[in-house]
Amino acid sequence: AAGVIQSPRHLIKEKRETATLKCYPIPRHDTVYWYQQGPGQDPQFLISFYEKMQSDKGSIPDRFSAQQFSDYHSELNMSSLELGDSALYFCASSSGALSLHFGNGTRLTVT
Amino acid sequence: AQSVTQPDIHITVSEGASLELRCNYSYGATPYLFWYVQSPGQGLQLLLKYFSGDTLVQGIKGFEAEFKRSQSSFNLRKPSVHWSDAAEYFCAVGAPNDYKLSFGAGTTVTVRA
Repeated sequence: AAGVIQSPRHLIKEKRETATLKCYPIPRHDTVYWYQQGPGQDPQFLISFYEKMQSDKGSIPDRFSAQQFSDYHSELNMSSLELGDSALYFCASSSGALSLHFGNGTRLTVT
Repeated sequence: AQSVTQPDIHITVSEGASLELRCNYSYGATPYLFWYVQSPGQGLQLLLKYFSGDTLVQGIKGFEAEFKRSQSSFNLRKPSVHWSDAAEYFCAVGAPNDYKLSFGAGTTVTVRA
């Protein structure tokens, strides 16, 4: 069965650079969630989209933005990267039918 | 606001022994409850979930969890642990029909031979 695809799997950036993470939800899933998991931390909700509109927002820095496109894939854009942004970024998708599926994450390292 | 507490940061268990991981949640109504497992550097794999109905939930890999409303708990159990169960386990809570989950801090399980 198709799963949530995240790309890239690993990303290394320098401070003050910009990064774009991509998420391809399971086909026919209309909702996407982004989570950030710092080293040794639990995942923290960042932002979600339903039918291409932002549906909820968590502890997402103003330097970060995200959107969901017409094909339902989503991108998380991070600017002015800081060392503290180094984390595993998860995307999850759901169809609202009592299911939530996580991708394998993108590991971002900021040097 | 919803929150989850996993009181045990680290548990060591012998292979073949039983395992119980504790999870207490805070939520005003009947929550959606989840247990996820994460191997190092890997994604989150859903073990089981509770939405309603039977309070004893069966999951994958031989895991089960019991929802106890009176104790605000959703403890995870496995009768006989395998070495491959060594991982970090996260309990999570969400509002009905809302997957903006709040995760607990996680419990790291070490399995000794």
